Amino acid sequence: SAVISQKPSRDICQRGTSLTIQCQVDSQVTMMFWYRQQPGQSLTLIATANQGSEATYESGFVIDKFPISRPNLTFSTLTVSNMSPEDSSIYLCSAVQGGENTIYFGEGSWLTVV
Amino acid sequence: SQKIEQNSEALNIQEGKTATLTCNYTNYSPAYLQWYRQDPGRGPVFLLLIRENEKEKRKERLKVTFDTTLKQSLFHITASQPADSATYLCALAPPGGYQKVTFGTGTKLQVIP
Repeated sequence: SAVISQKPSRDICQRGTSLTIQCQVDSQVTMMFWYRQQPGQSLTLIATANQGSEATYESGFVIDKFPISRPNLTFSTLTVSNMSPEDSSIYLCSAVQGGENTIYFGEGSWLTVV
Repeated sequence: SQKIEQNSEALNIQEGKTATLTCNYTNYSPAYLQWYRQDPGRGPVFLLLIRENEKEKRKERLKVTFDTTLKQSLFHITASQPADSATYLCALAPPGGYQKVTFGTGTKLQVIP
């Protein structure tokens, strides 16, 4: 299994600012993803973080709002740009290891925009 | 697209009893199904995975069944404990597409001492 660390775990942000979430995996993984979970809702996939190239975004999510980096096989960042209260959510980093079907999650980053 | 139904109402159960949670799905039959535990404000923690050709999977006090005819999975926790109180999510994956994994909204379980 993969152990995934995220930081910050929680933050209160001012409207209009940007915040970068870091995700570190304890082993090399084939795929990394970023999800969002708004209060009382299910998980929604934001994008697949591709190593060394641009992320693949899902419908409704764009690079200008959620720039993602993945410089190597164990690390990724998600930036939430120009935040508004609607961006208040838990942001989750996840990963899949080669040969496994299980998606492992980090502990989540709980952002509140005021 | 795949739709998942989990009982949105909380399930309250007495300590020591067996808790049974339901996950129903529509459309295509998934390649595999996963169950996760999620505590408030935290990321989901993987519990069990069951493949479409498996009927049942067990891990300690946990048991998952998968009925592709009924399009349903049941998740059982035997000898439930207050520490089992959490929200439990099911997730369905089509063949070969992690990006298409669909998560349910979860069922909140409360184990009463």
